[in-house]
Amino acid sequence: NAGVTQTPKFRILKIGQSMTLQCTQDMNHNYMYWYRQDPGMGLKLIYYSVGAGITDKGEVPNGYNVSRSTTEDFPLRLELAAPSQTSVYFCASSYSGGMANEKLFFGSGTQLSVL
Amino acid sequence: EDKVVQSPLSLVVHEGDTVTLNCSYEVTNFRSLLWYKQEKKAPTFLFMLTSSGIEKKSGRLSSILDKKELFSILNITATQTGDSAVYLCAGYTSGTYKYIFGTGTRLKVLA
Repeated sequence: NAGVTQTPKFRILKIGQSMTLQCTQDMNHNYMYWYRQDPGMGLKLIYYSVGAGITDKGEVPNGYNVSRSTTEDFPLRLELAAPSQTSVYFCASSYSGGMANEKLFFGSGTQLSVL
Repeated sequence: EDKVVQSPLSLVVHEGDTVTLNCSYEVTNFRSLLWYKQEKKAPTFLFMLTSSGIEKKSGRLSSILDKKELFSILNITATQTGDSAVYLCAGYTSGTYKYIFGTGTRLKVLA
């Protein structure tokens, strides 16, 4: 059981480059999330999705885009990378089956540096 | 605006000590409070609390939720160096399906 899988684990970008962080889950979760974590800080929500075809902004969406064409995949796109986007990015998913079953499962993270 | 505040921000203790970590929340349509432990990589799940006054326990860790006063505590007894980590709490809102995280408490346990 793979859970939430993120790729790549590490990436260095030059200012102005673009890239896509991949995230896939095999737990049939309908809710998926992208967070960033700056050094010594908590998790800030970038975007989230409650199902295929539905996405919404979180606290810090500027400079990012997402899509959700399938239940399994939730890629995060960085356009025109800036040094302020240097961070660790976590993808996460949860199941919305009710009965207070909201445990959030995390991927292993992507360490991104923009130089 | 929804927010979760953790205290203290950091804590240094010696092995064998007992620690209490605090988490207060203001979350619209609050549904549950979750605790995670983060060492070097991804957060790992500890507890999910939905009801007031019911303690959840796992080994030396325990947690309780007070929905009237809007806070939760995480207790760790007989601390070990392996407990050194950042402990995160998050409030889950059923209105927008978002998890609102606090900034975490960094715990260091000295041998």
